[in-house]
Amino acid sequence: EDQVTQSPEALRLQEGESSSLNCSYTVSGLRGLFWYRQDPGKGPEFLFTLYSAGEEKEKERLKATLTKKESFLHITAPKPEDSATYLCAVQLAGGFKTIFGAGTRLFVKA
Amino acid sequence: NAGVTQTPKFRILKIGQSMTLQCTQDMNHNYMYWYRQDPGMGLKLIYYSVGAGITDKGEVPNGYNVSRSTTEDFPLRLELAAPSQTSVYFCASTQLGGTDTQYFGPGTRLTVL
Repeated sequence: EDQVTQSPEALRLQEGESSSLNCSYTVSGLRGLFWYRQDPGKGPEFLFTLYSAGEEKEKERLKATLTKKESFLHITAPKPEDSATYLCAVQLAGGFKTIFGAGTRLFVKA
Repeated sequence: NAGVTQTPKFRILKIGQSMTLQCTQDMNHNYMYWYRQDPGMGLKLIYYSVGAGITDKGEVPNGYNVSRSTTEDFPLRLELAAPSQTSVYFCASTQLGGTDTQYFGPGTRLTVL
């Protein structure tokens, strides 16, 4: 069964305290792995797409990496405005179906 | 360029009532999706469409119907509302190729009582 699991469920950081979020997946075939940010009451906002193991993408304080079994979203020196839910999603090969993880709620305290 | 728009933003239905959630995109995207998100959960794919006249089921299609008569519009129909359909519904669109970015609408919060 295709599955996407994110950990931890929630993460509380002090401002400036770097950390990583994990997204592990078991799917029949991977077309791409996506990271989104979701603020309360809003739709997900696209952050990154990764297609192959070893690929890395960066945007401001965020860096996403991909292996054959998991992806990490590294947050360097986070600020309170980085507080949000971060969603990982896997698009399956051979079609257009996308499976989302449950998300990691990130809280950054000033 | 408004992106993906959804109406209504909020709706309360009684059990057994029907309604249509509207979704429109102005980016000329071929691919459109409907998801539902329950509290504390990730998004579940309900239906998707790869172009006008072509739709297919996702993970949780029971109790829903869709149609795609134009590139821009992808309405979601609930025929006999049930409490289990209480959720937040998101519409998304993408033009595959490049970054394959999915653009999401702001969501419709539906409560069935």
